[in-house]
Amino acid sequence: AQSVTQLDSHVSVSEGTPVLLRCNYSSSYSPSLFWYVQHPNKGLQLLLKYTSAATLVKGINGFEAEFKKSETSFHLTKPSAHMSDAAEYFCVVIASGGSYIPTFGRGTSLIVHP
Amino acid sequence: GAGVSQTPSNKVTEKGKYVELRCDPISGHTALYWYRQSLGQGPEFLIYFQGTGAADDSGLPNDRFFAVRPEGSVSTLKIQRTERGDSAVYLCASSLARAGELFFGEGSRLTVL
Repeated sequence: AQSVTQLDSHVSVSEGTPVLLRCNYSSSYSPSLFWYVQHPNKGLQLLLKYTSAATLVKGINGFEAEFKKSETSFHLTKPSAHMSDAAEYFCVVIASGGSYIPTFGRGTSLIVHP
Repeated sequence: GAGVSQTPSNKVTEKGKYVELRCDPISGHTALYWYRQSLGQGPEFLIYFQGTGAADDSGLPNDRFFAVRPEGSVSTLKIQRTERGDSAVYLCASSLARAGELFFGEGSRLTVL
């Protein structure tokens, strides 16, 4: 079985300040982990992915995430928020060796204030 | 186009009617997924195709929902006797292989009156 918990439904930051979106996962097998972003009225787009290589993963638009097995976490960070980062963010887990079905978290809405 | 295409982008129907939603994946992608996204929620898995066959349909909520992918490319999600609770955005995604990066279409928004 696999599941994802996104700990915050909304995160509000000021432009230029750091962003932290939290994600914890549960998986019976070695997980692959992803972050997707969904801008209003747009399709979901991959930000970054972890697939058992380096634990610190760099993605597009300055985002990073660190896989911490001991904490079963895959938090998404960015040093400095831009207005264009305002969107819905989804953490996704795939249990390699299990059903291989991508399971989504409920999403975190990132609000960026000028 | 090179991306995943979904049609229609919007569909309004009456309770009890039959609906078909179409997904045209990226050429060469053997894996195809359907998800449903309700307002304020994450995408909820419905069905996964590997080639022409439904490899996992465990997410279909009941027997009113059915999906096909007869030639291993285009897929159609079919909903019979629609109910108001079926209103949602239906998302299609394709991937080169299972457990790979998903490429999503922009979704079909279904409204059942």
